[in-house]
Amino acid sequence: NAGVTQTPKFQVLKTGQSMTLQCAQDMNHNSMYWYRQDPGMGLRLIYYSASEGTTDKGEVPNGYNVSRLNKREFSLRLESAAPSQTSVYFCASSEAQVLSGNTIYFGEGSWLTVV
Amino acid sequence: GESVGLHLPTLSVQEGDNSIINCAYSNSASDYFIWYKQESGKGPQFIIDIRSNMDKRQGQRVTVLLNKTVKHLSLQIAATQPGDSAVYFCAEFPWGTPLVFGKGTRLSVIA
Repeated sequence: NAGVTQTPKFQVLKTGQSMTLQCAQDMNHNSMYWYRQDPGMGLRLIYYSASEGTTDKGEVPNGYNVSRLNKREFSLRLESAAPSQTSVYFCASSEAQVLSGNTIYFGEGSWLTVV
Repeated sequence: GESVGLHLPTLSVQEGDNSIINCAYSNSASDYFIWYKQESGKGPQFIIDIRSNMDKRQGQRVTVLLNKTVKHLSLQIAATQPGDSAVYFCAEFPWGTPLVFGKGTRLSVIA
């Protein structure tokens, strides 16, 4: 079972370049999320989509945009990459966001370096 | 992938011993909690969860304890194995809002 699939796995960008991280889930989940993970900081929520057609800011949304393309896909875009955006990015999904008790399932991560 | 584990608290245990990983959560309104395991270069994997109406839940070799009075979670791993070496995160779920993650603890199993 694929679960949550995200691409690319690794990417090096120059400051000011743009790129989009792609994510797809095959579990028919309603909610999808983008997190970033930095050393000693744990996982921090960038944006989430509680259901198809909606998106909301998380804890650290600045410098990012998202698109919930359909129920399966949720992309994260960096319009003008900065070195501070060097991080590991995780896409995740859950059956529903608003109901407590819904486990979140994660992709394998995308390692992004901005030089 | 190893860089995400830098600067984390580390727990070293002998293979075969029991491990206890602790976590303090922040929101007294949180009513659901999850423990995740993250191996190097991989995404977090669900281990076990617990709702706030329980104080203990057992899985296979793992037990989660919840003390709401002091806002404390613990994960107990019985007979720790080398494959248990990873970073462990607790996460709390304040009702109606996305999951909030702790910073993680690295478990190192000594063979």
